[in-house]
Amino acid sequence: DGGITQSPKYLFRKEGQNVTLSCEQNLNHDAMYWYRQDPGQGLRLIYYSQIVNDFQKGDIAEGYSVSREKKESFPLTVTSAQKNPTAFYLCASSIYASGGHNEQFFGPGTRLTVL
Amino acid sequence: LAKTTQPISMDSYEGQEVNITCSHNNIATNDYITWYQQFPSQGPRFIIQGYKTKVTNEVASLFIPADRKSSTLSLPRVSLSDTAVYYCLVAFNAGKSTFGDGTTLTVKP
Repeated sequence: DGGITQSPKYLFRKEGQNVTLSCEQNLNHDAMYWYRQDPGQGLRLIYYSQIVNDFQKGDIAEGYSVSREKKESFPLTVTSAQKNPTAFYLCASSIYASGGHNEQFFGPGTRLTVL
Repeated sequence: LAKTTQPISMDSYEGQEVNITCSHNNIATNDYITWYQQFPSQGPRFIIQGYKTKVTNEVASLFIPADRKSSTLSLPRVSLSDTAVYYCLVAFNAGKSTFGDGTTLTVKP
């Protein structure tokens, strides 16, 4: 059964702690993405990766870090430098980042609450 | 980056056809147009993608005029379950596209 998995679904952390959100895909897609969504708003791109061992900052990368050591995995770390980390985080993948097969397939999301 | 403009909200009734238009005046020659649907607390779902003219799949049609400065997502015979937010994205590289706030479609019985 192919798809994108994110874990956990809900995550609670104390202020000042780093936390890592998991994203795994078995679709053999080259590109992967991380978005943040706040209530009533659209998605904002944090980071994206077009290929293994390569990633680029999106619109709101400050306070976040990523790695892409394997094609199927793209974990996101929310660091203590992120001023307002409470949000809904969505991971996505696409066959390629560019061109006519750049439609993205999304995971179920992780809702992070920082107390 | 191509800036997109969509209506903030739309209302419709069950069984009607719904057309949501997205304006993208500064679309680049190699940009693709992609539409997504999102339900609350879920990730967006890909609906349809096109480059020019008309594209149709099992759930929707996408109409793109010759100048490509706008596009229209057409949902035939909507049901209550089509109530969602619809996003229009325009980009060659998906890492350089912006979701914006989308169009909230409310389907009434």
